[in-house]
Amino acid sequence: EIVLTQSPATLSVSPGDRATLSCRASQTISTFLAWYQQKPGQAPRLLIYDASNRATGIPARFSGSGSGTDFTLTISSLEAEDFAVYYCQHRSRWYTFGQGTKLELK
Amino acid sequence: QITLKESGPTLVRPTQTLTLTCSFSGFSLSTSSVAVGWIRQPPGKALEWLALIFWDDDKRYSPSLQTRLTITKDTSKNQVVLTLTSVDLVDTATYYCAHSSGRLRYAFDYWGQGALVTVSS
Repeated sequence: EIVLTQSPATLSVSPGDRATLSCRASQTISTFLAWYQQKPGQAPRLLIYDASNRATGIPARFSGSGSGTDFTLTISSLEAEDFAVYYCQHRSRWYTFGQGTKLELK
Repeated sequence: QITLKESGPTLVRPTQTLTLTCSFSGFSLSTSSVAVGWIRQPPGKALEWLALIFWDDDKRYSPSLQTRLTITKDTSKNQVVLTLTSVDLVDTATYYCAHSSGRLRYAFDYWGQGALVTVSS
């Protein structure tokens, strides 16, 4: 079973900063990776699928990269609405989620 | 537009069976490459995938829970039902259903609002 490890667990940043979130897979997964954003009391929102493709309506400041075992979600210039928890997710025969990275206000 | 909504009991006793229904609109689960999944989230914890059912009735289950889970679909009613047997306190969580399709490599692009289920005696 593939394990996804996200780092850091918490990232303290300021509006306007660039944020880089990492997701590492325990074995190679090609580009079968998605990223979600979740705000308190809300369902997750799909940001990125297939490692680097933005979902419909997602702002261009969100970008995904990587393949194999190492993946990155980058938010180029943080806005106030971006402070949330971010999860990576892999799909093979089964689905796996990472444990999440919380983006908090510095 | 695509919408999904979870329904079911808010309180379940330990050892009982939990049955949740996902009612959806805006798509058909008889359309090729479409799927509906269930994901849960214990309070303050991470997301956990539970099960997925495809348009062709192929079913996938979390390896750690597969002996307790059953997912079915009723295409005519636009519903997907998840049952979880022998519930325990650790099954307390918000349960989400979500839409998935081959177009997005089976990521979950539309989610229900979630249903909080508490397991308590």
